[in-house]
Order: sequence, then C-alpha cells, then structure tokens
Amino acid sequence: DIQMTQSPSSLSAFVGDRVTITCRASQTISTYLNWYQRKPGKAPKLLIYAASSLQSGVPSRFTSSGSGTDFTLTISSLQPEDFATYYCQQSYSIPLTFGGGTKVDIK
Amino acid sequence: QVQLQESGPGLVKPSQTLSLTCTVSGGSISSGGYYWGWIRQHPGKGLEWIGYMYNSGSTFYNASLKSRITISVDTSENQISLKLTSVTAADTAVYYCVSSYGVKDAFDIWGQGTMVTVSS
Repeated sequence: DIQMTQSPSSLSAFVGDRVTITCRASQTISTYLNWYQRKPGKAPKLLIYAASSLQSGVPSRFTSSGSGTDFTLTISSLQPEDFATYYCQQSYSIPLTFGGGTKVDIK
Repeated sequence: QVQLQESGPGLVKPSQTLSLTCTVSGGSISSGGYYWGWIRQHPGKGLEWIGYMYNSGSTFYNASLKSRITISVDTSENQISLKLTSVTAADTAVYYCVSSYGVKDAFDIWGQGTMVTVSS
C-alpha cells in the first residue's frame, strides 16, 4: 500500500497568511494526487485533482504542485472560510489512500 | 447537479451485516461518471477508502476489508449499495457515498455521510 504522509498535522495561522501543506507518498505516484477540504460536520470537498488542476468553483488562492513523491498545497491568502482540515489522496494504485490530514485553525 | 444521499441504520449489532444505500439524484449511474463507491472515517481518525464500482461493473475493494464487502449498483433505482458483513466495533464510522463523476481519478461528488455505530 502507498502511505501518504502530510505535514504538519496542524497549524495555526492568521487571516491573510500564506499557508503551505506538504504531502509525501511512500513511492512515486506521478501526478495522481488530489487535495480535499473538510469542515466539521460536512463531507470533504475536492479542491485540486491531478496534482495541480483546480476543481471548478474553487478559489484561485488554492494552488498545488508536485509530482513523483512530493506535493504541496498552498493557500496564498488565508480566508476565514478556509479554516478546515485538508487531506491529500493518491489515486495511482489500489488501495486508494489518504494522508492523515492537516488541521488549519485560527491563530 | 449530481447529489448523493446515504441511508441506512445508524446502529448495527456486532457480527451482523451493515447495509447502506446511496441514492443518486441529478444524474444517472448508468450513463455518467467513472466510478461509484464508499469511503469511511472512524471517529477522530483519517479517511479510509472502502471500494468502488466502475460503470463497466468492475469492482475494486480495499484488501483489508475485501472478504466482507460487497458494493453493487441498481441502475433501475439509481442507487449504490454497500454491504459489510461480520461487523465489529472497529467498523464504527461515518460512511460516505462517493463518485468520480466529472473528474477522473478523484472523488468530486460526496454524500453528506451517515454515522454507523456497531454496538450491542
């Protein structure tokens, strides 16, 4: 199984801050990497697919890059509605696996 | 817009079978999307992929659950179902119905999730 490791597991930031979350795969996954945002009591929402493609309707302050084993999700200017938990997920091979999540909260 | 809604019992006894149904609205299982499946999240834990079914009918399951899972599709009812046999407390989780509908190889559609507790 491909292990997905996210860092940090949590972070505190101010509105307006630039935030970067890292996701590392235990083996190469090319660009088969997706990012999701989950708010309490709600289902996860797809933000980014194929490592760098912005899902329709997602604000452009969310960007992602990477290929192979190392990926980053960046929020250029954190907004109040961005406080949530973020998960990466690989779709390279079965079983599909998720990172442990990064909780972003208000500083 | 495609929407998914899970339904099923919120409480299941140990050793019994967990059965959930996901009703699809706003789109057709038989004519749209790439695959349909299930993901769960244990309380306070991360997300775990359970399995999915392609529109072709091929199914893929998480090997850790494979002997206990069945995912099927009823195209006449536009529903996806999950059956998980011989449940234990370790199967207590929020179960999400998901689809790779407009985006290949990503779950772009999620149901709201349904909490299932395994307890006597």
